[in-house]
Amino acid sequence: AQSVTQPDIHITVSEGASLELRCNYSYGATPYLFWYVQSPGQGLQLLLKYFSGDTLVQGIKGFEAEFKRSQSSFNLRKPSVHWSDAAEYFCAVALGNTGGFKTIFGAGTRLFVKA
Amino acid sequence: EADIYQTPRYLVIGTGKKITLECSQTMGHDKMYWYQQDPGMELHLIHYSYGVNSTEKGDLSSESTVSRIRTEHFPLTLESARPSHTSQYLCASSIDGTGEETQYFGPGTRLLVL
Repeated sequence: AQSVTQPDIHITVSEGASLELRCNYSYGATPYLFWYVQSPGQGLQLLLKYFSGDTLVQGIKGFEAEFKRSQSSFNLRKPSVHWSDAAEYFCAVALGNTGGFKTIFGAGTRLFVKA
Repeated sequence: EADIYQTPRYLVIGTGKKITLECSQTMGHDKMYWYQQDPGMELHLIHYSYGVNSTEKGDLSSESTVSRIRTEHFPLTLESARPSHTSQYLCASSIDGTGEETQYFGPGTRLLVL
C-alpha cells in the first residue's frame, strides 16, 4: 500500500543548529513530493516541492530537501534553525491514478527549538 | 499568500446540534478538499470536489456531508454533532489537472462537541 513515513514524531534542536527531518515513501514510481509546515493555530503552508529534475530543491525560509530515489526518501534540511521554525512539518506525496492525483500526508514531525 | 478562508475558527457546541463549517477560496481553483486532523496525527481526507456539483468521499469515513454549488464555496455540514466529531477540520484547494497538486490550506476550524 502507498504510504508516507515520518519516523520522528518530534525533534528538539538548539537555535542555530542544523536540522534534518526524515521522510520516506512507499510507491512504485516517483511521485510528486512536498513538504508543508503548520504553525500553531494555522493551516498548512507549502515549503517546497519536487516534480523532476535537480534532486536538491530549495524552498522558502531557507529550507531545502533532497530526493533520493534509491532510498525513496525526501528529507528536509535547514543549515541554521531559528526559533520561529518551531512548528509541525508534514511530508506529502501526490500519486497519479486513473482518477487524477491523490495526496497522502505523513503523520508529521513536531520541531521544538531551544534557546 | 493563499486566499482561502474558513469560519468559524473555533466552535464549541452541544451534542445533537447541526453545524456547518464554511470554506471559501478566491483563487478560482476547481479542486477542493476537507481534511480531519487530530493532534499528532496525519491529515485524513474526508471529502473532495473536482468542481461545481462534484463531491466525493475521501479515505476516512465521515458522517459529515459537503456541497459544491459555487466554485469558490465548499461547506461541510454535520447534521447531528457528537463528541467523536471533536477535531480540527482543514479546508484546502488546488488547481485541478496540472499534476502539480500543490494544495493551499485555510487556517482550520477547531471543533469541540460537548
